[in-house]
Parts: sequence; C-alpha cells; structure tokens
Amino acid sequence: KQEVTQIPAALSVPEGENLVLNCSFTDSAIYNLQWFRQDPGKGLTSLLLIQSSQREQTSGRLNASLDKSSGRSTLYIAASQPGDSATYLCAVSSSGYSTLTFGKGTMLLVSP
Amino acid sequence: EAQVTQNPRYLITVTGKKLTVTCSQNMNHEYMSWYRQDPGLGLRQIYYSMNVEVTDKGDVPEGYKVSRKEKRNFPLILESPSPNQTSLYFCASSPWAGTKNTEAFFGQGTRLTVV
Repeated sequence: KQEVTQIPAALSVPEGENLVLNCSFTDSAIYNLQWFRQDPGKGLTSLLLIQSSQREQTSGRLNASLDKSSGRSTLYIAASQPGDSATYLCAVSSSGYSTLTFGKGTMLLVSP
Repeated sequence: EAQVTQNPRYLITVTGKKLTVTCSQNMNHEYMSWYRQDPGLGLRQIYYSMNVEVTDKGDVPEGYKVSRKEKRNFPLILESPSPNQTSLYFCASSPWAGTKNTEAFFGQGTRLTVV
C-alpha cells in the first residue's frame, strides 16, 4: 500500500526566508506527484504537478523536485511571505491504485 | 473557467436524516472521487468513479453511497448520517487515472456537522 509522509508537520519562519518542505512515498511506481495548498477550512489549490518522468517543476517562487527512485519530493519556497501561510499537501498518483494518496501535510506559518 | 463545484458548502443535520452533497465538474473528466478530511487522519478516499455508471469503494466507504449517471455529476449520499460522519468533504475530478496528465482538481469542500 502506498504511504506518503510529510516532514515537518509544522514550520514557522520569519518573512523572507527560503524554506523546504519534504515529502516521501513508499512505492516508487508513481504516475505523478502533486503539491497542493490548503487554507484553513478551504479547498485544495493545486500548486505544481510533476510527471514521473520529470525531475522538477517551477512556478514563480515555488520549485518542486522529484526523485522517484528514492521516493522523495521537495517543495522549495523562495523568499517566503505571510501570504504563504497555509497547509501544504503532497499527493501521489500511483500505478495500480485508483486514488491519490495524500500525506498529512505541513502547516506553514510565515510571520511578518 | 475549469472548476469543480460542490453544494452545499456548509450543512448541519440531525442523525438519521438522509442528505445528498452534490458535485459537478465542467472539464469532461472521466475520473471523479470523494474524500473526507479529518484532523490527524488527513484526506481519505470514500468512493471513486472511473466513468459513467462505474463506481467503486475507496478506503472509507461505510455509510456512504454514490451514483454516476452523468459524466459531469457525482453526488455523495448519506442515507442515515451519524455523528462520526462529521467531517470536511471534498470532491475531485481528473482525466482518466491511467494517463500521465492526471492533474486533480478539487472542489471548495463541504463542512458537514451531524448532531
């Protein structure tokens, strides 16, 4: 069974810092990995999608990398801002599974 | 605009009173699914559908029903809600899960409270 782990569970940083969120998965036979953002009590907003054949994807201040063989992905946020405060979720779409498997998320707080 | 629309956004109901949460997508996606999100447990899949008239159980299907009569709609039915079904529910859609470009799109969520 695919399992996804996100470390750390919570992170607090001052504005302007660069930061890295980690995601690991147990079964490397994935189609893709997706990073989402969730604001409190709200829906999930897709940030980046990395196909299994790709190594990284970038969108603005966000960069996500994928190392399929080691079962790891990182989300890099450059020059963090208070508006980045949210929970970040990692999810994988795996071969043989008909569902996205989610990690439990990293709750990020960026203080002014 | 590509979107997944859930209704209602908030619902308080009493134990045993049947309810339906609707979900509609405008992207012609084959695959739709329902998740519930609970503190400490993360997102867990309830049911999914690979196409019209094709549905199957996810990880936590007990107490729920679904139907897929049209490609765009995938309602979640609670025949006899109980307090342990109090949760935040999400509907999602994506192109067929077997393709590579399976970016998932999520609705805004339905906060359900069963008293």
